[in-house]
Amino acid sequence: DADVTQTPRNRITKTGKRIMLECSQTKGHDRMYWYRQDPGLGLRLIYYSFDVKDINKGEISDGYSVSRQAQAKFSLSLESAIPNQTALYFCATSDVPTAGAGNEQFFGPGTRLTVL
Amino acid sequence: AQSVTQPDIHITVSEGASLELRCNYSYGATPYLFWYVQSPGQGLQLLLKYFSGDTLVQGIKGFEAEFKRSQSSFNLRKPSVHWSDAAEYFCAVGARSNDYKLSFGAGTTVTVRA
Repeated sequence: DADVTQTPRNRITKTGKRIMLECSQTKGHDRMYWYRQDPGLGLRLIYYSFDVKDINKGEISDGYSVSRQAQAKFSLSLESAIPNQTALYFCATSDVPTAGAGNEQFFGPGTRLTVL
Repeated sequence: AQSVTQPDIHITVSEGASLELRCNYSYGATPYLFWYVQSPGQGLQLLLKYFSGDTLVQGIKGFEAEFKRSQSSFNLRKPSVHWSDAAEYFCAVGARSNDYKLSFGAGTTVTVRA
């Protein structure tokens, strides 16, 4: 089984609809992240959480909200979807960095969202 | 703030030829550097990483990268490309001062021709 799973894998929705993307991990990591990928822009950080009680905005959080229901679960919501939120969304996890080492992030397979 | 530049948007290479993907970063102290690969329809897979020590790092699938502090670069190389290497490649940088969050380059798409 995959260590980081995302549901749904594909979603088509209409402008104004509320939608939730879910992420679950079995790696036991405390840190979780949500990114969106757009062609030519790479991955941009939407929100991140360093533990269940710690949630932080990333560089492009407007129009999004998140919920960390448990160590293993981190959900991303679009309260009122708009067409420019059409993108590929990735969830990632990482362990707490140790002295002298950074932290590798492990990615889910992505959710392709289309907002009409 | 840290940033990453991948100057090449798209590279086409013949199967069996060598490949080099460029990555330049902007950060004052020693960064943590990563190369990820994204095959079509897949998530991101880590190819290799640099934290400290030997500046030439080996990764999976026959890839290697060299950290050059003087040039603020972390270029990815492979001596002989296989058709399965066709993918999009992302360079990323993290730093302790930024809570180890990653900043990604825009990506380089590699096409392999027979």
